Amino acid sequence: ETGVTQTPRHLVMGMTNKKSLKCEQHLGHNAMYWYKQSAKKPLELMFVYSLEERVENNSVPSRFSPECPNSSHLFLHLHTLQPEDSALYLCASSLYQTGAYEQYFGPGTRLTVT
Amino acid sequence: DAKTTQPTSMDCAEGRAANLPCNHSTISGNEYVYWYRQIHSQGPQYIIHGLKNNETNEMASLIITEDRKSSTLILPHATLRDTAVYYCIVRADNNAGNMLTFGGGTRLMVKP
Repeated sequence: ETGVTQTPRHLVMGMTNKKSLKCEQHLGHNAMYWYKQSAKKPLELMFVYSLEERVENNSVPSRFSPECPNSSHLFLHLHTLQPEDSALYLCASSLYQTGAYEQYFGPGTRLTVT
Repeated sequence: DAKTTQPTSMDCAEGRAANLPCNHSTISGNEYVYWYRQIHSQGPQYIIHGLKNNETNEMASLIITEDRKSSTLILPHATLRDTAVYYCIVRADNNAGNMLTFGGGTRLMVKP
């Protein structure tokens, strides 16, 4: 248990569906992240939020829409996804400041797009 | 942030020390070396980090060469539960977003 929870753990959705992934951290951190991990590929950073403001968006398609209503919660809204979007989606949190600080990851949501 | 190079895979006998190397020959003076691991289908787990000195915690030891161009993560008594992909990451201390760039890592297989 890392203090970062993600729901749902598994999700199957069609290409025309709209769904949301939820992440919650109980560590008092002020930065949250979304990563994507496709089969046999390294983790890819998607979005970074600090103090509820987006500070990084790594050229992610608009069919992925993040939302950070407060420093403890992070959502990833999904719509009109493609089969190649099937992957493990990981949320992480940390302190947002310079120096050496580790990130804590949630267990991930395994997404399958049919 | 500096690029790292790790072997693709390694085997280790249960109960023996696992020594995982990482090359970061272009590391800058303000860059930390981090190690994370990812057990199958789980989120990555922080292990340890260091700047110049060797570091030890309850999980592992980190040995950084004097020129800082390479490091070794040591799991002193590997167990079957240490089977995972181990990532060596270099990150500057002025990287306020604490953004991590993951490579392919080393797949460690601990065998009975």
